[in-house]
Formats: sequence, C-alpha cells, structure tokens
Amino acid sequence: NAGVTQTPKFQVLKTGQSMTLQCAQDMNHNSMYWYRQDPGMGLRLIYYSASEGTTDKGEVPNGYNVSRLNKREFSLRLESAAPSQTSVYFCASSDQGPSNQPQHFGDGTRLSIL
Amino acid sequence: SQQGEEDPQALSIQEGENATMNCSYKTSINNLQWYRQNSGRGLVHLILIRSNEREKHSGRLRVTLDTSKKSSSLLITASRAADTASYFCATASFSGGYNKLIFGAGTRLAVHP
Repeated sequence: NAGVTQTPKFQVLKTGQSMTLQCAQDMNHNSMYWYRQDPGMGLRLIYYSASEGTTDKGEVPNGYNVSRLNKREFSLRLESAAPSQTSVYFCASSDQGPSNQPQHFGDGTRLSIL
Repeated sequence: SQQGEEDPQALSIQEGENATMNCSYKTSINNLQWYRQNSGRGLVHLILIRSNEREKHSGRLRVTLDTSKKSSSLLITASRAADTASYFCATASFSGGYNKLIFGAGTRLAVHP
C-alpha cells in the first residue's frame, strides 16, 4: 500500500533555480493538496485541487504553481526559488464529498534553498 | 492563519502515564481531526470527531469536543515510548468543493522508558 508518494525526499537548490516536486496517490482520491511545514508552525496550505482539472490557491500560494496532471498526480513548481521557501513540503489527498474525510499524507520533501 | 492552537507546546512523561493535549479554535467547524507526526515522516490521521459528537474512543485514544468552548482534548492512556511524536489538531470545514483543514502548531510529546 503506497498511499501518497512524494519525490524527491531531499533537495538543495540555489536561489533563482527552479524545480518541480512530484506527488502521486494510489487511493483513487479526488482531492489533493500541497502544504508547507516550517519550524514551530502547523501546516499551511499552498494550493489544492478539489478534483481533476481544477486547482485553487490556498493560504500561501505566492512563488508557487501547481499542475493536476491526472487524477493520481499533483505537482508543485517553484519557478525561481528563494531562501524563504526553505521548508518541508507535504502532499496529501482525500476523498471528495462529505467533509468528514481524513487526509492522507506523504512523507514530505525537505527543500533547502541557499 | 492557524485556527487550532495546541496546549502545551511540549509534554514530557514516563511510560505508563497518561498524556493530555488540548486544542482551541475560533470559528465553527464540521469536524476536528487529530494527527500524529513521527520525526521525519508525514502526518498520520488518528481520529476524527464530528461537530455533533462529544466524545470518541479509538484504542488508547480518547478525544472530547466541546463546541460551546471551541475546544478539544486528546488523551493517550498508558503511554508507550512509541507514542513519542508531535500531535496536531486540525479543524475541518467543507467549502469551495474541498475538505479544508487548518492545522495548529502541534504538541511535541516525549515518552521516556
């Protein structure tokens, strides 16, 4: 049972470089999410996709773009990385429909920007 | 913006003792969820309590919800060293076609053998 798989697990970038974080889920969930986690803070929502073909901004979308490639995959792109984007990034998925559904998380991508 | 705020920020106990963590929130919710995060791993869902429920049990976990006080508590009974982790509450509402979760900053629990 893979659940939610994120790649890569670790990445170091230089300021101004770009990269894409990949996420795939095998639970046939409709909704997918990208969060960032910073020390001493809870997770903050960057972008979400309620269903295939739709994406919307969350709480902290600036500096990021997303693509819902298909029902399984949801990628997060940093076009021009900045040190403030150093964080741990988590992808999650959930069933759409009733709100009483938990989210399932990947193990995260630890991103450092120098 | 963080809605759930956990208390305490950190908790250190001995194996066998009970651990209680509290969560307060500000606005109306559909449900409240508790998650655990082991070091270097993703969050794992523990338990969900709906807004019309007052108490829920799952194994050694007991969750209460008081919507009048906008607060919840997570009790772990007979703690084990393996319970060492961070615990997060998340308030849930369904809007805009998705299940929106707002997380608190978490409680770091250390259980000593």
